[in-house]
This record gives sequence, structure tokens and C-alpha cells, in this order.
Amino acid sequence: AQSVTQLGSHVSVSEGALVLLRCNYSSSVPPYLFWYVQYPNQGLQLLLKYTTGATLVKGINGFEAEFKKSETSFHLTKPSAHMSDAAEYFCAVCRSGGGADGLTFGKGTHLIIQP
Amino acid sequence: DAGVIQSPRHEVTEMGQEVTLRCKPISGHNSLFWYRQTMMRGLELLIYFNNNVPIDDSGMPEDRFSAKMPNASFSTLKIQPSEPRDSAVYFCASSSAIPDTQYFGPGTRLTVL
Repeated sequence: AQSVTQLGSHVSVSEGALVLLRCNYSSSVPPYLFWYVQYPNQGLQLLLKYTTGATLVKGINGFEAEFKKSETSFHLTKPSAHMSDAAEYFCAVCRSGGGADGLTFGKGTHLIIQP
Repeated sequence: DAGVIQSPRHEVTEMGQEVTLRCKPISGHNSLFWYRQTMMRGLELLIYFNNNVPIDDSGMPEDRFSAKMPNASFSTLKIQPSEPRDSAVYFCASSSAIPDTQYFGPGTRLTVL
């Protein structure tokens, strides 16, 4: 079974500051990892994903995340926050390879951008 | 390209009524997922299909819930009878492979009075 822990249900940063959203996962097999963003009253949109290969992955809107197997982490960062980044962010994991299944999501982190 | 289409977007019903949620996946995708989002429990996988066949329904909360995928372009999630605790946003997602990126629909907000 897999699980995801997102530290901090709410994160507040100033516009222009670094954004860091934390995600730790648990998986008995090599995982695929995802970050999704959800704007109010909308569905989830993929920001980025890690499957295999390069551990630093870049996504849309200037976000990136680094897969650290030794730390079982997949933290999301953005160098400079913009007001439009205010949203709910979800980290998710699924099993790779045969017998794979649906996504297991973290509880989400609400990102607040202060002007 | 049309994304995942869900209908209705909003549903308000009374306890005991039957509710049917509908989903049209992205053309060419062969995997379809139903999720439920609530404040208390977050996003939960209810069931998923691969090539129209249900693979894992262990997330379906009770026998009151059922899901079907009669063909590659249509799926339904039915709740009969509905209860107030079923109030949630229900998302449908599709992907071209498992595991891979899942594309989410806009969701159906269900309110059971």
C-alpha cells in the first residue's frame, strides 16, 4: 500500500518569495509521483510528474520538484511566488509497473500568497 | 481537444433518491477512474476501469454505490439510495495507461438533503 503525507495544510508566502510545499511518500515498490493543482471549483490539473530518469522534474508555471529516494520525498518548489499561484496543491503516488493502480493523494496544501 | 466531460456539474437531491453521475473520458484513453473529494477525507479513489473492465472497486464505500462502463466513451456512477453523507464532489479522470498522468474532469458537486 502507498501513502502520502503533505506537511502543512496551509502555507503562506509573500509575492515574489520562494514557494516550498512538502511531500513525503511511502511505497513498497518504485513509485510514480505527481503534483496536481486545484483552483476553486475546478478539477485537478497536472503540474508535473516523476516516473523514471532525471530526479529533478520541471513542470508548468515555473514549478519543479525533486525526487529523493533516500528521503522518500518529492517536495514542490517555485523560486518566486505569483498571486495566481494561490490554490490547493496535491501530491499523489501510484505504483509503477505491473499491478499498478489508481492515485493515492495527500490531504492537500492550501497555498496563500500575500501581496 | 475536449477534456474529460462530467455531467451534471451540480446535483441537489433528497435523501433516498437515486443519483446518477456521468463521465465521458478523453478519446483514446483506456483507463477511467472515479474519485470522491470531501473536506474530512480528502480525495479518495472509488473505482477504476481498464479497457471497460472494473479492476479495483475496493474504494466503493457501500453497496449503495455502483459504477459501470458499458463502452470506451461512457461511464456512470450511481448511488441508490442516496444519503446526506454522500454529499461531496465526485471527479472522473482518464488516462492512456496505468500508471500515467490522469486527466481530471471538472467534477460533480453532489448535495444530498
